[in-house]
Amino acid sequence: GQNIDQPTEMTATEGAIVQINCTYQTSGFNGLFWYQQHAGEAPTFLSYNVLDGLEEKGRFSSFLSRSKGYSYLLLKELQMKDSASYLCAVTDSNYQLIWGAGTKLIIKP
Amino acid sequence: DVKVTQSSRYLVKRTGEKVFLECVQDMDHENMFWYRQDPGLGLRLIYFSYDVKMKEKGDIPEGYSVSREKKERFSLILESASTNQTSMYLCASSVTGTGGDYSNQPQHFGDGTRLSIL
Repeated sequence: GQNIDQPTEMTATEGAIVQINCTYQTSGFNGLFWYQQHAGEAPTFLSYNVLDGLEEKGRFSSFLSRSKGYSYLLLKELQMKDSASYLCAVTDSNYQLIWGAGTKLIIKP
Repeated sequence: DVKVTQSSRYLVKRTGEKVFLECVQDMDHENMFWYRQDPGLGLRLIYFSYDVKMKEKGDIPEGYSVSREKKERFSLILESASTNQTSMYLCASSVTGTGGDYSNQPQHFGDGTRLSIL
């Protein structure tokens, strides 16, 4: 079966750095997305990785290793507004999007 | 900015009712999607549409149908609502990329409809 694993919940401190991991077992791979979802709001697109390596976008970076079936989202200089759920989603060989359950990130002052 | 608007934020219906959830996008996107989101589970695709009057079943289409008569509007219909359809329903839209591939394009979501079936 197809599976995306993310930690259910993480806690970090304002101003610190946090890494949210995502491992996947899918039938093929055609890309990986990260989305942010604040409570009661729409998921919003953060990043897309299709090649191995690190993509940096301001305070957020996303890393992909296709050989390991692994990605992480790195958030730097954490702010209270970064408290949200972070969703990992993988496009499989049939171009279907498989979603993880999301990681709830709690930022403490 | 893309705007995806869902008609209701909260909806309460009774078992056996026919329920309509409406979604409108304002960016001329070809593709539209309906998901449900339940605690502890990833988003699950119910139906999607890649063109007007076209529809494809997702992972959990049973008990649902859809309608796309106009490009900007995608409706989800619960034919006879049941309590196990109580959930958060999310609509999304996306463009089609080069070569006709929509899977590498980000999806833009509405704020969701929290539906309770009593």
